[in-house]
Amino acid sequence: ETGVTQTPRHLVMGMTNKKSLKCEQHLGHNAMYWYKQSAKKPLELMFVYNFKEQTENNSVPSRFSPECPNSSHLFLHLHTLQPEDSALYLCASSQRQGASTDTQYFGPGTRLTVL
Amino acid sequence: DAKTTQPTSMDCAEGRAANLPCNHSTISGNEYVYWYRQIHSQGPQYIIHGLKNNETNEMASLIITEDRKSSTLILPHATLRDTAVYYCIVRGDYGQNFVFGPGTRLSVLP
Repeated sequence: ETGVTQTPRHLVMGMTNKKSLKCEQHLGHNAMYWYKQSAKKPLELMFVYNFKEQTENNSVPSRFSPECPNSSHLFLHLHTLQPEDSALYLCASSQRQGASTDTQYFGPGTRLTVL
Repeated sequence: DAKTTQPTSMDCAEGRAANLPCNHSTISGNEYVYWYRQIHSQGPQYIIHGLKNNETNEMASLIITEDRKSSTLILPHATLRDTAVYYCIVRGDYGQNFVFGPGTRLSVLP
């Protein structure tokens, strides 16, 4: 248990569906992150929120829409996804973005399959 | 791009020490070395980090060379549950994010 939870753990959706991934951290952190890990590829950073403000969007397609209503919760809204979006989506949190000793703690991930 | 180079894979016998090397020859003075591991299809798990001095915690030891161009993660008594991909990451000043490379796939064998 890292103090970061993600729901659902598994999700299967069609290309026309709309779904949301949820992340919650119980560590009192102020920064939250979404990563994508496709099969046999390294983790790719998607979005960063620091004190509820989005500070990074790494050229992520608009069919992925993040939301951070408070420092403890992070959502990833999904719509009209493509099969190549099937991946493990990981959430992480840290005390605050960017400090050299700022350690990130990861959730267990959501395994997404797009049919 | 990742600033580190790690072997693709390693094997280790159960109960023996696992020594995982990492090269980071372009590391700058204010950059830390972090280690994470990822057990199959789970989220990465933080292990340890250091700047110059050797570090030890309940999971592992981190040995950083004096010139800081390489480091070694040591799992003193590897168990089957230590089978995972191990990532060595160099990270420094404000604005730098963690960049995960392909890591080293460690297989602990019975």
